Amino acid sequence: DARVTQTPRHKVTEMGQEVTMRCQPILGHNTVFWYRQTMMQGLELLAYFRNRAPLDDSGMPKDRFSAEMPDATLATLKIQPSEPRDSAVYFCASGLGGTIYEQYFGPGTRLTVT
Amino acid sequence: SQKIEQNSEALNIQEGKTATLTCNYTNYSPAYLQWYRQDPGRGPVFLLLIRENEKEKRKERLKVTFDTTLKQSLFHITASQPADSATYLCALGSSGGGADGLTFGKGTHLIIQP
Repeated sequence: DARVTQTPRHKVTEMGQEVTMRCQPILGHNTVFWYRQTMMQGLELLAYFRNRAPLDDSGMPKDRFSAEMPDATLATLKIQPSEPRDSAVYFCASGLGGTIYEQYFGPGTRLTVT
Repeated sequence: SQKIEQNSEALNIQEGKTATLTCNYTNYSPAYLQWYRQDPGRGPVFLLLIRENEKEKRKERLKVTFDTTLKQSLFHITASQPADSATYLCALGSSGGGADGLTFGKGTHLIIQP
């Protein structure tokens, strides 16, 4: 049963600390997305990759967020320094990039910044 | 700016009845629309996709309509069951040009009363 995995599932950290979230996309999927979900804003696209190359990161605060794909089985989202307003659930999703396709979401990382 | 509206109030439906959820959008010309289901503490799960040139799509007890003139999609669950209780998200997408990321509505919380 192929699925997207994310670690950690929960993270509590103090303001100013670095946070790294990891995602393993479904094997064979060539497109990986990072989303953030809050009650106020809903689900927002932060960035995405195709064949490990970043295609769009316009939804991401550039000064503190960075996203990378060191290899095809790992995507990372880093926040440095973290702020209380970054508290949210961060989802990774993957899909077989093409013209139109569905996305498969991971279970999310719940981040709390105090 | 682009806007997607879903009923923010919870929708209570009697078991066995048809539940109808609405997704309206403005300032957007999507090539396709998707519906996802999200349970508490979990990532969204893909349900159905409908393209701009399609009027209706069905899958088992689910039916989606897409009216690009009204800028609206309706999502129907027939013979509803308590297990259908969840939050349902609509998402709009553009085709090609690398614009793969979806724009999500905030979702409608559906409660099926036994």
